[in-house]
Amino acid sequence: GEDVEQSLFLSVREGDSSVINCTYTDSSSTYLYWYKQEPGAGLQLLTYIFSNMDMKQDQRLTVLLNKKDKHLSLRIADTQTGDSAIYFCAESMGTGTASKLTFGTGTRLQVTL
Amino acid sequence: DTGVSQDPRHKITKRGQNVTFRCDPISEHNRLYWYRQTLGQGPEFLTYFQNEAQLEKSRLLSDRFSAERPKGSFSTLEIQRTEQGDSAMYLCASSLPGEETQYFGPGTRLLVL
Repeated sequence: GEDVEQSLFLSVREGDSSVINCTYTDSSSTYLYWYKQEPGAGLQLLTYIFSNMDMKQDQRLTVLLNKKDKHLSLRIADTQTGDSAIYFCAESMGTGTASKLTFGTGTRLQVTL
Repeated sequence: DTGVSQDPRHKITKRGQNVTFRCDPISEHNRLYWYRQTLGQGPEFLTYFQNEAQLEKSRLLSDRFSAERPKGSFSTLEIQRTEQGDSAMYLCASSLPGEETQYFGPGTRLLVL
């Protein structure tokens, strides 16, 4: 079955790097995503990675995928107070047709001064 | 492009009442998804439309829930005889054909008293 796990909380100081981790169980996942959710708001797509890639970089964001260990991470460089939010990883088994997303429980990132 | 919009943003109702939520997807997105998010959890898939056809429904979607997308544009989600356990954020997302990225609206927060 599908199961996505994340640690619940991470606290970092402004300017440091944040690393948010996620593990998933379904080896047939084809896409993995990172979404950001601010209080009372919907989900903002940050980035995604196709399962045949190991790494993807987008400005301050770096996604690493270890398919063997079913481990996904999101690194945020130079973390700012505006990065404080809940971060969800999600997987899908998209095969060129639409696919539902399975989300983790979210990691709350707190950025301190 | 204004993004995915949802209405209302908040709804308070008494147990046993019916409620209806609306989602307007991004223009030209033919796929539309509904998710439910309870406090402290990640979103859970409810149902999915491609154009006007409802192609998949989760077991979470009890007989009291019905979703429609009559003209393949906006969608409505109705909950009949609401229960306190229905209290949650209801999120809508849309995507383009052939793309695996889903864009979320701000959500409708439902509180059943």
